Amino acid sequence: EAQVTQNPRYLITVTGKKLTVTCSQNMNHEYMSWYRQDPGLGLRQIYYSMNVEVTDKGDVPEGYKVSRKEKRNFPLILESPSPNQTSLYFCASSLTPVFPGNTIYFGEGSWLTVV
Amino acid sequence: AQKVTQAQTEISVVEKEDVTLDCVYETRDTTYYLFWYKQPPSGELVFLIRRNSFDEQNEISGRYSWNFQKSTSSFNFTITASQVVDSAVYFCALSEAFTGGGNKLTFGTGTQLKVEL
Repeated sequence: EAQVTQNPRYLITVTGKKLTVTCSQNMNHEYMSWYRQDPGLGLRQIYYSMNVEVTDKGDVPEGYKVSRKEKRNFPLILESPSPNQTSLYFCASSLTPVFPGNTIYFGEGSWLTVV
Repeated sequence: AQKVTQAQTEISVVEKEDVTLDCVYETRDTTYYLFWYKQPPSGELVFLIRRNSFDEQNEISGRYSWNFQKSTSSFNFTITASQVVDSAVYFCALSEAFTGGGNKLTFGTGTQLKVEL
């Protein structure tokens, strides 16, 4: 079954404690991306990756890091989380990076609370 | 720059009423795609439809229908005979061919639909 899997799904953490949200897809997709969803703002892109070892900033990259060492995995790293990073996070993937009509697969979302 | 506006923050209807969710977009590209997603209370994003900029035909899928009008840059979504299970947040989104971010989706702020008995 085609899947984008995120972990953890739910997390409460404290300010400054590094955390990683993992994302894995089983569809051999080249393109992966992270979004955050906040009330009244919709979803905004944090980072994206066109392929292995190719990553770039999205619209709201501050406070986040990513890596793409393998095609299937695209972890989101919060080096020093702050309360303003409390949000619902989605990982997404699609087959190729440049065709806007690609089917985009979303993970189930990760609810992150930073206290 | 691309932008998607969903002016309706929240809509409440009584079951069996028809309801239309508005979506207005801005783009400089001639090639782009428009999407609608449903987000139920459980939080996942459910894909509803994808429409490319060269296809202005309206689409109907069961109780759902979409009206795409390039002249007004709108891609509105109508639910006929709404049901309680339709209660969710609905997002409209835009993907462009030649904008940075790869297959980036630009989302609207969403419309919360509440369908009551």
